Formats: sequence, C-alpha cells, structure tokens
Amino acid sequence: DADVTQTPRNRITKTGKRIMLECSQTKGHDRMYWYRQDPGLGLRLIYYSFDVKDINKGEISDGYSVSRQAQAKFSLSLESAIPNQTALYFCATSDVQGNQPQHFGDGTRLSIL
Amino acid sequence: AQSVTQLGSHVSVSEGALVLLRCNYSSSVPPYLFWYVQYPNQGLQLLLKYTSAATLVKGINGFEAEFKKSETSFHLTKPSAHMSDAAEYFCAVSDWSNDMRFGAGTRLTVKP
Repeated sequence: DADVTQTPRNRITKTGKRIMLECSQTKGHDRMYWYRQDPGLGLRLIYYSFDVKDINKGEISDGYSVSRQAQAKFSLSLESAIPNQTALYFCATSDVQGNQPQHFGDGTRLSIL
Repeated sequence: AQSVTQLGSHVSVSEGALVLLRCNYSSSVPPYLFWYVQYPNQGLQLLLKYTSAATLVKGINGFEAEFKKSETSFHLTKPSAHMSDAAEYFCAVSDWSNDMRFGAGTRLTVKP
C-alpha cells in the first residue's frame, strides 16, 4: 500500500460545485501539506498542518479550505469550484525533523468545466 | 521572498552522457535547497537537499548537486544518464520557515 494515498485520482466537475479531495498517510508523520501543480509554474503551497490543531495558510489559500480530521488524514475543499482551479493537486507529509515535504501522494487531477 | 529559476524547461541528453540541470536561487538569508524528481503520473520524490553542511551534496540514483554561494546556484548533475532518469526535475528553496518555493521544472529526455 502507498504511504500517502489521495482520493480521488481524477475528478471532473462543474463550476460552482463543492469538491473535497482526501489524503491519508501511514507514515505516522505529524506534518501534512497540500500543493497544486500547474504547467510551467511548479508546485505552490495551498495549506499546511503541523498537527491536528494546527492549520496554516500557504502561498495560494484563497478559494480553498482544509480539515485535519486526524494525524493521518488531511482533506482539501473547494467551496465553489472555478475553472482556474483546474490543476494537479498533491498531498505530502514530513516528520518533525524536516520542514520540507518528504513523501508525496500520486496526485489528484481535477478538471473544472 | 525567496525564489528559484530553473534554466531550460526541457533538456535532452544521450544515454551515457552527462546530465546537467541548472538552478539559480534568490534568498535574503542562508538558503536550504532541494532537488525533487517526478516520474509520470507520480508525486515528487526528494533527490537531495543542502542544509548548510557540505557544499557538494550526494543524492539518490547517482545524482549530486553543488551549492555555490558566489554564483547563487545549485545545479544538479549525473555523470552518465540512464534511460530511467527521464522525468521532470524540480529545484526548491526554503528558509526553514515552511515557505518553500519551487521552480517551474525541467523535463529531462534521455535518447538511446
């Protein structure tokens, strides 16, 4: 089984819909991250969490929200999806000793029509 | 704010040839620097990282990178390319405050 699992792997939806992307990990890491990847832009940080009670905004948090339901689970929501949120989304984890993301999921490809 | 610039969105080399992927950074404080690799339909994998110890950093799969403060560079190299090295490579910079910034990526193609 993968250490970091993202569901769904692919999603097509319509403008205005609420969408939730889920991430679960078996690494036992406290720190979890959500990134989006756009061609030619690399990865940009949306939100990160250092533990269940700690949520922090990243570089591009507008239009997104997150929930850390447990140490192993970190979900990303788009309250009202818009087409420019079409992207590849990654969840990642790291242990306390490493601030940089260490383990990535395989990504969720999200298309908003 | 910190930033990285990866020179060349696409690099093509022949199998067995030297791989050189270029990364220049901008940071107002001593940086921490990273290289990641992304294979098709997968997430990123950490190749190597520089955290102010040795300036020449060795990573996985035979890759290494050298931190050059005077040139604000952190180029990734591998002496001999293998077909399995074909992937997209990302350079990233952090000031250890969780404000990590990624470059736009360089796609490496390896020709037989």
